[in-house]
Amino acid sequence: AQKVTQAQTEISVVEKEDVTLDCVYETRDTTYYLFWYKQPPSGELVFLIRRNSFDEQNEISGRYSWNFQKSTSSFNFTITASQVVDSAVYFCALRGANTGNQFYFGTGTSLTVIP
Amino acid sequence: DGGITQSPKYLFRKEGQNVTLSCEQNLNHDAMYWYRQDPGQGLRLIYYSQIVNDFQKGDIAEGYSVSREKKESFPLTVTSAQKNPTAFYLCASTPPFLGGHQPQHFGDGTRLSIL
Repeated sequence: AQKVTQAQTEISVVEKEDVTLDCVYETRDTTYYLFWYKQPPSGELVFLIRRNSFDEQNEISGRYSWNFQKSTSSFNFTITASQVVDSAVYFCALRGANTGNQFYFGTGTSLTVIP
Repeated sequence: DGGITQSPKYLFRKEGQNVTLSCEQNLNHDAMYWYRQDPGQGLRLIYYSQIVNDFQKGDIAEGYSVSREKKESFPLTVTSAQKNPTAFYLCASTPPFLGGHQPQHFGDGTRLSIL
């Protein structure tokens, strides 16, 4: 079975604080792909990052960083020095190599950054 | 610019009426998807299509129908059998499945309401 869990439904932080969004996944595939998307109030989903199951190297892109740990089946996303423009719903998604073109999304985490 | 175009942005349905949501892409992607998003919830898969003239039901296909007569187009019809159609509908696409690492690209969505 393929499943993605984002246990944090809503998070509020004050501007400039750091915040981590959690993502835990389940899959029987040995090869799989993990994604993070951002959904601003306008509605469209914007792709942020992809990680392959055979690449556990963490990644940093500006104020964003991602921590992929296969041992705990987690792919967490940290925003450093948060800004009001970071306010959005963030989705974690999974795609297994053996499940063809299907993607499995978590329920999303709504982040509000308070000025 | 390449992308996915969904229309209309807002749509209102009368009781007993079928309505069709348009999704067009010029990315030359093979796979296309329809998701439904309810307030505060994640994305639920309605239908997806991997090639022309072929499509599969997702988790919540009842009350919906699709067609894939052209690679570029994947319209979704919300039938009168769908008793609770009020939601935000997102169309997505992906390139050919060459290892699974390709993310989905999303349209801007259509908000459907009942009159």
